[in-house]
Amino acid sequence: GAVVSQHPSRVICKSGTSVKIECRSLDFQATTMFWYRQFPKQSLMLMATSNEGSKATYEQGVEKDKFLINHASLTLSTLTVTSAHPEDSSFYICSAAQGEGPYGYTFGSGTRLTVV
Amino acid sequence: AQSVTQLGSHVSVSEGALVLLRCNYSSSVPPYLFWYVQYPNQGLQLLLKYTTGATLVKGINGFEAEFKKSETSFHLTKPSAHMSDAAEYFCAVGLTGGGNKLTFGTGTQLKVEL
Repeated sequence: GAVVSQHPSRVICKSGTSVKIECRSLDFQATTMFWYRQFPKQSLMLMATSNEGSKATYEQGVEKDKFLINHASLTLSTLTVTSAHPEDSSFYICSAAQGEGPYGYTFGSGTRLTVV
Repeated sequence: AQSVTQLGSHVSVSEGALVLLRCNYSSSVPPYLFWYVQYPNQGLQLLLKYTTGATLVKGINGFEAEFKKSETSFHLTKPSAHMSDAAEYFCAVGLTGGGNKLTFGTGTQLKVEL
């Protein structure tokens, strides 16, 4: 079945530094990748939608300059949290869609980011 | 616009008892409906989905859900709960022509007791 690899699974960084999270579709080409943020005991909040070779579409209220998304190929999307602050600490999850229509979404295993 | 409501943020059942997790949706067009399960510090795993056709959908691990358009519901059930079913469950809705976007409910934490 479709597999999405997300790396790293956990990261601790200092305030002011940047952190990059990778999301790879291992056995399929993802036309679209999504980045979510999940606060403790809460649902997933869609941050942005990225399509290969084009700029990401950010949801309202998400700072595009803070959360940089790059979708350089059909199998790789990256989320960079720039100048991280403690309030950016969260669980970040990516998902990849195969083809058109919401038929096949595969989620990565998530990244726990802690900013100290 | 679409939305999802999951009634009951916490549900507790005894092992072997029926599991019923409720999901109601709001959508102006025919929806696609999904149930996902999340274990602590992990991503989401698809349990089942409804796109078109048969309204009773069977998924993995013995779960099933029925799409009821008249009630705008997509409740998740399992006849007999196992300890391993303890997890967070999310209902989600996507739209035809919605650009692959999913809207998630707030989740239901299922606890299974001996």
